[in-house]
Amino acid sequence: AQSVAQPEDQVNVAEGNPLTVKCTYSVSGNPYLFWYVQYPNRGLQFLLKYITGDNLVKGSYGFEAEFNKSQTSFHLKKPSALVSDSALYFCAVRRRGGATNKLIFGTGTLLAVQP
Amino acid sequence: DGGITQSPKYLFRKEGQNVTLSCEQNLNHDAMYWYRQDPGQGLRLIYYSQIVNDFQKGDIAEGYSVSREKKESFPLTVTSAQKNPTAFYLCATQGGTENTIYFGEGSWLTVV
Repeated sequence: AQSVAQPEDQVNVAEGNPLTVKCTYSVSGNPYLFWYVQYPNRGLQFLLKYITGDNLVKGSYGFEAEFNKSQTSFHLKKPSALVSDSALYFCAVRRRGGATNKLIFGTGTLLAVQP
Repeated sequence: DGGITQSPKYLFRKEGQNVTLSCEQNLNHDAMYWYRQDPGQGLRLIYYSQIVNDFQKGDIAEGYSVSREKKESFPLTVTSAQKNPTAFYLCATQGGTENTIYFGEGSWLTVV
C-alpha cells in the first residue's frame, strides 16, 4: 500500500536557524513528490515538487527539498527560518502512471518558529 | 489559488439539513477533488472527478454527494446522512504537465 509518513507532529525552531521537516514515503516505482503549506483557515498552497533530475528542488519562499531515493525521503528545508514560516506543512506523493492520479498526503507537521 | 473559488467560506447547518458547497475553477483542469480536514488532522478524500459527467468515491464518501455537469464546477452536497459533518472542506483541481494539485481557500461547515 502507498503511504506517506511525517514522523514529527510539531517542529520548533528559533528564527534565523535552519529548519528541516521530515517526510518518508512508501510508493512503488519513482513517485512524484510534493510539499504544501497551510496557514490558519486557508487552503493548501503548493510549495515545490520533485519530478526528475536534480535531487535538490527549490521552491517558493526560500524553501527547498532533497529527494533521497535510497532512503525514500523528501525532507523540506530552509537555511534560515522566519516567524512567518510558522504553519502546517504537508508532504504528498503520487505514483507515476496507474489507473488514477490520486495524491497521498502525510498527516502534516506544524512548524513553530520562535522570535 | 486564485483560479479556484470555494463558497461560502463559512456555513452553518441545522440537524437534518442538506447543504451544498460550491467549487468553481477557471484553470481548465480536467480533474477536481473534494477533501475533508478535521482540526489538527490531515486530509481525507471524499470524491473526485477525472472528467465531466464522471466521478468516483474517495475514502470517506458516505453521507456526501457530488455532480460534475460542467468542467468548471464540482459542487459537494453534505447530506443529513453525514453524522459528523463539522469540518473544513477543501476543493482542488489537478493539471499542468506533472498534474500538480492546486487547492481552493476552503469552506468551514458547522452543525448547529
